[in-house]
Amino acid sequence: GDSVTQMEGPVTLSEEACLTINCTYTATGYPSLFWYVQYPGEGLQLLLKATKADDKGSNKGFEATYRKETTSFHLEKGSVQVSDSAVYFCALSERNTPLVFGKGTRLSVIA
Amino acid sequence: EPEVTQTPSHQVTQMGQEVILRCVPISNHLYFYWYRQILGQKVEFLVSFYNNEISEKSEIFDDQFSVERPDGSNFTLKIRSTKLEDSAMYFCASRAVGTQGEKLFFGSGTQLSVL
Repeated sequence: GDSVTQMEGPVTLSEEACLTINCTYTATGYPSLFWYVQYPGEGLQLLLKATKADDKGSNKGFEATYRKETTSFHLEKGSVQVSDSAVYFCALSERNTPLVFGKGTRLSVIA
Repeated sequence: EPEVTQTPSHQVTQMGQEVILRCVPISNHLYFYWYRQILGQKVEFLVSFYNNEISEKSEIFDDQFSVERPDGSNFTLKIRSTKLEDSAMYFCASRAVGTQGEKLFFGSGTQLSVL
């Protein structure tokens, strides 16, 4: 079945450092890909998405590009802030099937 | 902004006891979901619910689990006889008719600890 693998955390970075969180997927068809974020004490929120190959999703300075050839959807940000500290989840969905999530990667950004 | 509310935020129970986890979805949403995350593992789909019936469930969602929309606003997950391995963070989610999976709104979760 479909699955998502993302890099293990936790990840600790200094403010203004570059961030990459790796995500690869396995799917039978052509899924839509997502990054969700969970800030402390809150629910999962959609951060960005891409629905087809070579699409780039972006939001709040974060970007991820749907790479069909490498089955990847890595999350990147050029300069992280303390307020970016959260747990980040990579996910996929084929048509109207339920979201399939990765384990989540905890990011801590220190001033 | 509307939000999905889950109560309690933490629940501790003894093995073999019944627990009910409560969720108040966003008011005009009609699709409801439960997911769970065991510590260190993936967020896993449990069940989806629409039009007062289960529309899809995973193999995790066995006879020990049930869901209900008792009063038109709450959406509950019941575990009849809890096991140690049921300890996890349980997330409720909802979405509106005509939206796709990415339009899910999640609650902040209930951390269930089975002792």
